[in-house]
Amino acid sequence: KQEVTQIPAALSVPEGENLVLNCSFTDSAIYNLQWFRQDPGKGLTSLLLIQSSQREQTSGRLNASLDKSSGRSTLYIAASQPGDSATYLCAVPTDSWGKLQFGAGTQVVVTP
Amino acid sequence: GAVVSQHPSWVICKSGTSVKIECRSLDFQATTMFWYRQFPKQSLMLMATSNEGSKATYEQGVEKDKFLINHASLTLSTLTVTSAHPEDSSFYICSAWTSGRKNFFYNEQFFGPGTRLTVL
Repeated sequence: KQEVTQIPAALSVPEGENLVLNCSFTDSAIYNLQWFRQDPGKGLTSLLLIQSSQREQTSGRLNASLDKSSGRSTLYIAASQPGDSATYLCAVPTDSWGKLQFGAGTQVVVTP
Repeated sequence: GAVVSQHPSWVICKSGTSVKIECRSLDFQATTMFWYRQFPKQSLMLMATSNEGSKATYEQGVEKDKFLINHASLTLSTLTVTSAHPEDSSFYICSAWTSGRKNFFYNEQFFGPGTRLTVL
């Protein structure tokens, strides 16, 4: 059974620092990996999706890497801003029909 | 981008009543829709998988008769919480997914804004 772990569970940084969020998964045979952001009381916003054949994806200040062999993905957020405060979740499909297994998330606070 | 809406965004009901939540994909046809529930400070837990025109597949421990799912079209799925009780109070989130190879959204899953259900 696929298990997804996110470390750390919570992170607080001053504005301007770079954020590094980790996601690990036990079964390396994944189709892709997706990173989401969730604000309190809100749904999920898709940030980046990395296909299994890719090593990284970038969007603006966000960069996500994928190392299937070691079962790890890292989300980097450059020059953090208070607006980046949210919970970040990673997820991998557990079958070919879209069912996702989520990590518990990393709660990020960026202080001004 | 792909937009998924949910209605209502929040609902308060009395114990014993039924509540229907709608999930719509607004600008694409979703092969599959998923229903999740989320308790405070916890991650999402998949409740069921919904494919258009067929019966939903429920995860272990989810009561089929309590959480009725109807997927009438490629853009609409509904979750009905029947005879709701306070322990059903939660945040319910749907997502829509498409596996179209030529589609920009290949294999990507998009989430609705969620519905906060409070049962008194």
